[in-house]
Amino acid sequence: NAGVTQTPKFRVLKTGQSMTLLCAQDMNHEYMYWYRQDPGMGLRLIHYSVGEGTTAKGEVPDGYNVSRLKKQNFLLGLESAAPSQTSVYFCASSYSQSPYEQYFGPGTRLTVT
Amino acid sequence: AQSVAQPEDQVNVAEGNPLTVKCTYSVSGNPYLFWYVQYPNRGLQFLLKYITGDNLVKGSYGFEAEFNKSQTSFHLKKPSALVSDSALYFCAVRVAMDTGRRALTFGSGTRLQVQP
Repeated sequence: NAGVTQTPKFRVLKTGQSMTLLCAQDMNHEYMYWYRQDPGMGLRLIHYSVGEGTTAKGEVPDGYNVSRLKKQNFLLGLESAAPSQTSVYFCASSYSQSPYEQYFGPGTRLTVT
Repeated sequence: AQSVAQPEDQVNVAEGNPLTVKCTYSVSGNPYLFWYVQYPNRGLQFLLKYITGDNLVKGSYGFEAEFNKSQTSFHLKKPSALVSDSALYFCAVRVAMDTGRRALTFGSGTRLQVQP
């Protein structure tokens, strides 16, 4: 099993550009999450999904959109990137019975200039 | 406000010595507490959890954590540190969100450096 994979691993955007980050999991997990990690701030939840076709806002949802059209995929979109969105983005997934034991992907390092 | 705090940015310990990484929390109701570890250029990995029961919880790689309700703490411990334990450690607590659902909130992380 590949576990949780993220595409791409690195990306540089100019302010105002858009992009989509892809997360895929092969563990048949019901729940999926997007976090951002910034120095000295730990991880902050952006959006999450408790099932196919459902999404919800986390702590810091502004400037991001998500979609979960298939159970195994969770997409994070930036419509108009800003320098404040420079961060490392992590996707995670979990079973509904144990939502706090999460499996994380390797991360995507995004720089917005 | 519900939160979790890790007061030390970095902990240095010699290999073979015991280690402690500190975590304190503030939540309403019974706390659900967790430790995760992040190795360089990797995602986080679950180490252990406290939901209920014994205050001493054992987890992966020989780590354990002690829940102390009166001190609102959940410190991570290991009797004998290894160089390979060097990593970034995150404490997390379950919090209630505005949506009514619950989610994890993470501390800022503590870097553990084990010297040979």
